[in-house]
Amino acid sequence: GEDVEQSLFLSVREGDSSVINCTYTDSSSTYLYWYKQEPGAGLQLLTYIFSNMDMKQDQRLTVLLNKKDKHLSLRIADTQTGDSAIYFCAEKDQAGTALIFGKGTTLSVSS
Amino acid sequence: GAVVSQHPSWVICKSGTSVKIECRSLDFQATTMFWYRQFPKQSLMLMATSNEGSKATYEQGVEKDKFLINHASLTLSTLTVTSAHPEDSSFYICSARSGAGGHEQYFGPGTRLTVT
Repeated sequence: GEDVEQSLFLSVREGDSSVINCTYTDSSSTYLYWYKQEPGAGLQLLTYIFSNMDMKQDQRLTVLLNKKDKHLSLRIADTQTGDSAIYFCAEKDQAGTALIFGKGTTLSVSS
Repeated sequence: GAVVSQHPSWVICKSGTSVKIECRSLDFQATTMFWYRQFPKQSLMLMATSNEGSKATYEQGVEKDKFLINHASLTLSTLTVTSAHPEDSSFYICSARSGAGGHEQYFGPGTRLTVT
């Protein structure tokens, strides 16, 4: 079945780069997403990448996609304390409608 | 950007009562809305997919008679938790997808339900 895996925790210092990794199983996924969730809040769409792309950059965010290995990563440059949150990787389900989420990576940024 | 609201943001109810949660797309028309449930420190679990004007499609293991979903308009979907029990306490999040062929899902801020 479809499954998305992420590491659970990442701790970095302010100003460093953060890299959050994700693996997925459905090779037919057309879009892959990164969402951010702050405590007690809903999910904010950060960025997404289409499956025929290898890389996408949006200001401090860089998404890398390795389709062969079904590996997705999110790099946050110059990480700030405001980036502390849970980051979810998600892929479309086989029907192409709903999203399958990973368990989320808790990013902790210390000053 | 696309904004999705939920109401209420939190609710406490007594066991056996019913609670209705609203999900609205504020600046776009959503032909499809999704309802998720999130337990503490867990991922989001899809409960059901709701298409405007038709019956919701429930995920395996989700009781449709307990979690009633209505998607009566292109901007509003409601989730009613009937005869709530303490194990229904959770964070319920909705998302909406534009009907204009968009692939992105936009999430509401969530509703914290506590059943005492």
